[in-house]
Amino acid sequence: DAGITQSPRHKVTETGTPVTLRCHQTENHRYMYWYRQDPGHGLRLIHYSYGVKDTDKGEVSDGYSVSRSKTEDFLLTLESATSSQTSVYFCAISESGIRADTQYFGPGTRLTVL
Amino acid sequence: AQKVTQAQTEISVVEKEDVTLDCVYETRDTTYYLFWYKQPPSGELVFLIRRNSFDEQNEISGRYSWNFQKSTSSFNFTITASQVVDSAVYFCALIQPITQGGSEKLVFGKGMKLTVNP
Repeated sequence: DAGITQSPRHKVTETGTPVTLRCHQTENHRYMYWYRQDPGHGLRLIHYSYGVKDTDKGEVSDGYSVSRSKTEDFLLTLESATSSQTSVYFCAISESGIRADTQYFGPGTRLTVL
Repeated sequence: AQKVTQAQTEISVVEKEDVTLDCVYETRDTTYYLFWYKQPPSGELVFLIRRNSFDEQNEISGRYSWNFQKSTSSFNFTITASQVVDSAVYFCALIQPITQGGSEKLVFGKGMKLTVNP
């Protein structure tokens, strides 16, 4: 199994509060991704990183920001959480970003925004 | 744009039955990669297989097999002699390139829930 951990694993918060989710990997992989999983939508990309301090937006990035100050950690921040951000969040990693690479997923974080 | 369709949303079978999960994809690329992931009730996403568009050979891994047919844009997954532990949501996905950073993202189907009853 790829060495990916996510913290916290579960969180309940209130609308308007900031929330930070952490993804930590021990594989030294260059590429990291944040996806969200919602019923009827499968998984959708929020943000991704192609190196330390190199990040960019995915298809559902509104309301989210990310940071990557070291290879092993990729943080996802909800600056002011809304109920529409209630979801399960998955981090993924891949060794490279070329079209031959498998993305491996972390265990997920279930976030509830009340 | 790439798209993955898993028309079946839920299937229920009895243990030892064979079951096929359908996946139809759309892409304009001549080179592409397809994936299957399993999400058991515990919630994690488990990688099952990656297949590139050059290789149309079917793949077998134990009770799992995959049938890739470019002519019908399908990448179907069959579980032979299903077991209760196969109960999960199964996702088919397609790689789509992202211009920035030379990266790529997975475009997922909506998933298909398989329940295997004893």
